Amino acid sequence: GAVVSQHPSWVICKSGTSVKIECRSLDFQATTMFWYRQFPKQSLMLMATSNEGSKATYEQGVEKDKFLINHASLTLSTLTVTSAHPEDSSFYICSARGIMNTEAFFGQGTRLTVV
Amino acid sequence: GENVEQHPSTLSVQEGDSAVIKCTYSDSASNYFPWYKQELGKRPQLIIDIRSNVGEKKDQRIAVTLNKTAKHFSLHITETQPEDSAVYFCAALAGSGYSTLTFGKGTMLLVSP
Repeated sequence: GAVVSQHPSWVICKSGTSVKIECRSLDFQATTMFWYRQFPKQSLMLMATSNEGSKATYEQGVEKDKFLINHASLTLSTLTVTSAHPEDSSFYICSARGIMNTEAFFGQGTRLTVV
Repeated sequence: GENVEQHPSTLSVQEGDSAVIKCTYSDSASNYFPWYKQELGKRPQLIIDIRSNVGEKKDQRIAVTLNKTAKHFSLHITETQPEDSAVYFCAALAGSGYSTLTFGKGTMLLVSP
């Protein structure tokens, strides 16, 4: 299958700082990228959907000014957690899909801990 | 929008037994139904999928069935092994391209030796 690389795998940051997470499709053009948040022992909660060159569509309850998503190219999307707080600590995972594919390929996830 | 319900939330079986996980969906336009397996701390991995023009698909010990009329689909794992222990997610997709995959809440499968 196609490869989606997410970086970093884990990050610890101080309260009030911002953290950027990258999601890259390595061998296909990802017209759509999805960002999820996953709490322990829970399902994948869709945060936002981004289409290349367009503004991201955020799910209800997700603050777009706090979770900045950029999908500037067909191979890269970024999620920036701004002014992070301890309650933002979670597992963030992206997935990507090309225009011709129905399957979504997942990045390896990023474990964010805010202290 | 699409709503996907998944049951059970946890499932414990003995090694060698079969396991069945069921999902229902709400959007009759959904036409693609993947199943993902997520091991602890790892990314979800696609294990099998089915499209709306097929009623059943099998790959070795795993199979998926789809009932479009009733809008439900199921994952069947036979001869379970301890390494099958993981969280399994079903999902549904309406259309393609910019459409969104909607996931079920997941089933934690525990296979005891």
